[in-house]
Amino acid sequence: DIQMTQSPSSLSASVGDRVTITCRASQSISNYLNWYQDKPGKAPKLLIYAASTLQSGVPSRFSGSGFGTDFTLTISSLQAEDFATYYCQQSHTIPRTFGQGTKLDIK
Amino acid sequence: EVQLVESGGGLIQPGGSLRLSCAASGSGFLVISNYMTWVRQTPGKALEWVSVIYSGGDTYYADSVKGRFTISTDSSKNTVYLQMNSLRAEDTAVYYCARDRYRGSGTYFDYWGQGTLVTVSS
Repeated sequence: DIQMTQSPSSLSASVGDRVTITCRASQSISNYLNWYQDKPGKAPKLLIYAASTLQSGVPSRFSGSGFGTDFTLTISSLQAEDFATYYCQQSHTIPRTFGQGTKLDIK
Repeated sequence: EVQLVESGGGLIQPGGSLRLSCAASGSGFLVISNYMTWVRQTPGKALEWVSVIYSGGDTYYADSVKGRFTISTDSSKNTVYLQMNSLRAEDTAVYYCARDRYRGSGTYFDYWGQGTLVTVSS
């Protein structure tokens, strides 16, 4: 199975900050990497697919990059509604696997 | 707008069985024309992919549920099912169904249900 490792596991930031979350795959996954936002009591929400394509309706302050094994999710200017847990997920191989999550909270 | 609505969760004793349902509606969405998947979220909050059924009928499972869970679809009800047998405490989670949308660069889960809680405990 492909292991997905996110860093950091948690992160404290302020509104207006620029934040970057990293996801590393245990083997090359091309650009088959997706990012989700998870809030308590709600279903996860797709933010970015194919490493860098913004899902329709997602604010442009979210961006993704990377290829192969190393990927990043960047939020250019944090808003109050962005405090949540973020997960990466690979779709290169079955079983689909997720990272362990990065919890972003208010400093 | 596509809606996925799960049901069938509850409290079940270890070794028991449950069948989860995911009813789809909206925008001409047909479960048999899509890749449909089940993902679960444990009390510790980790997300775990469970199973997928392709539009051609092929099915795949996580090792942790292989041989115990079965995914299927019913076109007449536009519903995806997850039959869960020999349940264990570690199967306790919120179970989500989602559309596993195929594009040129892999797939992604774009539509999700609201989730249904399965608790396995004596």
